[in-house]
Amino acid sequence: DQQVKQNSPSLSVQEGRISILNCDYTNSMFDYFLWYKKYPAEGPTFLISISSIKDKNEDGRFTVFLNKSAKHLSLHIVPSQPGDSAVYFCAARVSGGGADGLTFGKGTHLIIQP
Amino acid sequence: DAGVIQSPRHEVTEMGQEVTLRCKPISGHNSLFWYRQTMMRGLELLIYFNNNVPIDDSGMPEDRFSAKMPNASFSTLKIQPSEPRDSAVYFCASSFWAEKLFFGSGTQLSVL
Repeated sequence: DQQVKQNSPSLSVQEGRISILNCDYTNSMFDYFLWYKKYPAEGPTFLISISSIKDKNEDGRFTVFLNKSAKHLSLHIVPSQPGDSAVYFCAARVSGGGADGLTFGKGTHLIIQP
Repeated sequence: DAGVIQSPRHEVTEMGQEVTLRCKPISGHNSLFWYRQTMMRGLELLIYFNNNVPIDDSGMPEDRFSAKMPNASFSTLKIQPSEPRDSAVYFCASSFWAEKLFFGSGTQLSVL
């Protein structure tokens, strides 16, 4: 049973436009969420996170939004750049669980078109 | 900092052979994780260690899989005997007190 779902295996966006990656979760105990980015032949790298006490966290071109009532979070990239082409993983955990409790989605392959 | 180092980067073997994957975590990190990535299941946690002690191996798929961490700077994941369905990318990750994970570049395993 997938507790973290990324329903779009891939997403194509034109350079300069906004990329929106979505993630849904089913476990209401999750209260900390992370996004990881992965390039081919490399391991995932941490991108941005958000705690359930917030509904938005921003870091440069990247913003994560959390809607707890809908059990939904999204990653916005504005403006999208060619270097953003990668696989993005959503992950979630329960507070105090540490990294051992991280549950990952299957990932969304973002393709930025010039 | 060299980051998490995994070897080999690629491994091609025949069914029934023993496979050993290696990992050197980031110095100072006290938690180490082994993940497997497949198209069907995404990133799955196989096992993790805190201070060299295995804490949770419930993700290890079968008894054919075993992992060790003899010291703070080295860990192995062994598959014996290997099967074609074990083909995947295996990632090692480390962290300090189980916070943000730092991943290695992975080992692409192909079992023929």
